[in-house]
Amino acid sequence: AQKVTQAQTEISVVEKEDVTLDCVYETRDTTYYLFWYKQPPSGELVFLIRRNSFDEQNEISGRYSWNFQKSTSSFNFTITASQVVDSAVYFCALSESGFQKLVFGTGTRLLVSP
Amino acid sequence: DTGVSQNPRHKITKRGQNVTFRCDPISEHNRLYWYRQTLGQGPEFLTYFQNEAQLEKSRLLSDRFSAERPKGSFSTLEIQRTEQGDSAMYLCASSTTSGGVQETQYFGPGTRLLVL
Repeated sequence: AQKVTQAQTEISVVEKEDVTLDCVYETRDTTYYLFWYKQPPSGELVFLIRRNSFDEQNEISGRYSWNFQKSTSSFNFTITASQVVDSAVYFCALSESGFQKLVFGTGTRLLVSP
Repeated sequence: DTGVSQNPRHKITKRGQNVTFRCDPISEHNRLYWYRQTLGQGPEFLTYFQNEAQLEKSRLLSDRFSAERPKGSFSTLEIQRTEQGDSAMYLCASSTTSGGVQETQYFGPGTRLLVL
């Protein structure tokens, strides 16, 4: 069965601090996809990144970076030099090959204070 | 290119009433998904369509719930005889298909339902 665990319920940081959001997943498939979405207070889920199970390269996009490690079934997300606008709930999600639904974790609420 | 739109954005209803939500996907997307999100939780899958065909339904989708996508464009989600436990955010997403590859799902702003 698919499962995504985001153990950090809420993280508070001060602006310009770096912060890492953890994501651990479970799947029996060898082909699967991992995602991160951001949900600001407005409620709309904003897509951040998609990664397939065969691509373990880390990715950097501006202040955002992602570390995918199949050995530990983790797909962690780091925000460098956090800003107040980064305050949101961040969700990690998993989709197995052949299945179309996304299975989400419970989310991590990030509060960045000035 | 407009994103996924949902109407209404908010709905307050009394227990026992029927409600219907609409989702308009991104125009070239042939897949459309419905999710439900309760407070403090991640979205949970309800159902999805490829064109007009409903291909999968979660066991969360009780008999009181029905979804349609009659012409393969917009979709409606109806809840009959609403219960207070139906109070949640209902999210719609759409994606394209590319062989067997799971394409990215793009979400709409959601419809927040409150059942009194």
